[in-house]
This record gives sequence, C-alpha cells and structure tokens, in this order.
Amino acid sequence: ETGVTQTPRHLVMGMTNKKSLKCEQHLGHNAMYWYKQSAKKPLELMFVYSLEERVENNSVPSRFSPECPNSSHLFLHLHTLQPEDSALYLCASSRDRDPSYEQYFGPGTRLTVT
Amino acid sequence: AQSVAQPEDQVNVAEGNPLTVKCTYSVSGNPYLFWYVQYPNRGLQFLLKYITGDNLVKGSYGFEAEFNKSQTSFHLKKPSALVSDSALYFCAVRGAGYGNNRLAFGKGNQVVVIP
Repeated sequence: ETGVTQTPRHLVMGMTNKKSLKCEQHLGHNAMYWYKQSAKKPLELMFVYSLEERVENNSVPSRFSPECPNSSHLFLHLHTLQPEDSALYLCASSRDRDPSYEQYFGPGTRLTVT
Repeated sequence: AQSVAQPEDQVNVAEGNPLTVKCTYSVSGNPYLFWYVQYPNRGLQFLLKYITGDNLVKGSYGFEAEFNKSQTSFHLKKPSALVSDSALYFCAVRGAGYGNNRLAFGKGNQVVVIP
C-alpha cells in the first residue's frame, strides 16, 4: 500500500448525474494531485493543490470541480460528464510541490460515463 | 514545456535475461527524472529517481537507471528479469524550479517477462 486511498474504486454514472471522487493520504504530505489516465495515452495532470491551495489547473473543463478541505483530503466533484471522460482517475501526493519529491499514487477510480 | 518519449509499446524478455526500458526526455534546464511501475488494477508505484549526482541510480526491486545528459536519456534496467516484473512502466520528467508543478509522463511501456 502506498498510503493513498481512493473511493470509490469503480463508478458508473450517467451524463446528467453528479458524483464525487474522494482521495485521502496518510503520509503527512502537503501537495496533492489529480490525474486522468486513458488507454494508450500519457497521464494527464488535472489539478495540483499545495497546502489546500490550488496551484495548477491544467485547462480542465468546468464539469470537473476539485476541492481540498485539508492537506489530507482531496475531492473531485463531477457533473454533466461526457462519455469521453471515461477513464481511470488517479490521486497522488508528495511531500510538497518541490519537483525533486516523488509522488505516491492511489489505486484510482475507474469511471465509466454512460 | 517538458516531454518524455518511450519509443516501444511493448518489451518482451525471457525470464533471467536483462531488461531494458528506454526513455528520452526534453526539458528546459536541469531535469528531474523518475520511473514508476503500474501493476494491473493498481496505481503507479515509485521505482527510482535522478535529481543530481551519480548518473547511475538504484531503486526498488533491483531496478536501476542511467542518466545520460548528452543523449537526454534515462533508460531503466534490470540485470535479470522476473515474471513478476511484468507490468506497465512509466518514465516521467519535471524541470527543476519550485514553480514547476507539472510532471510529464511518457505513454508507458508494457513489459512482458516470458517464463
């Protein structure tokens, strides 16, 4: 185990639904990340939080809304998604956002939009 | 902007043979380089990194990687592959500089170790 947990592990939702993904890290890290992993494509960085402040939004559509209430928890709120949003969503954390620190990843949430 | 190229989609190797997974990168300034491994239905696991110092870095599970600045490469190696090494391997690069938040990943290499 990497010390980063994600729930749910699988999610199927319709295009009109609203759902949330949850991530929790037990490592005492100060930076947290959301990534999208699609088949045959590199991981896409979505958001970066440092000490609960959003420091990066990588041109993500507004139907994805992140929330970081404290340094241990990160949420991704989803609404009116499209089928092309189906992917594995990975959460990660690192000691802080210094680029020399490695990231620790959760197991991911497999999202299917119908 | 930084980027990573992993030229091979799949690497097949016989158990006990040396394993090499290739990675080249592009970044402004000094690179911070990482290798991660992903097993089925799991997130990525950190294997090793190069930040500075010795060009040969050793990591988890007997893996090592060599930083070559002139060739902008950071190939992952293991002297003797195990069946359990079969997984998806990702190379990643990030430019030095505290304001750089982006870790750029390659598309990944599927490694298949044949018993």
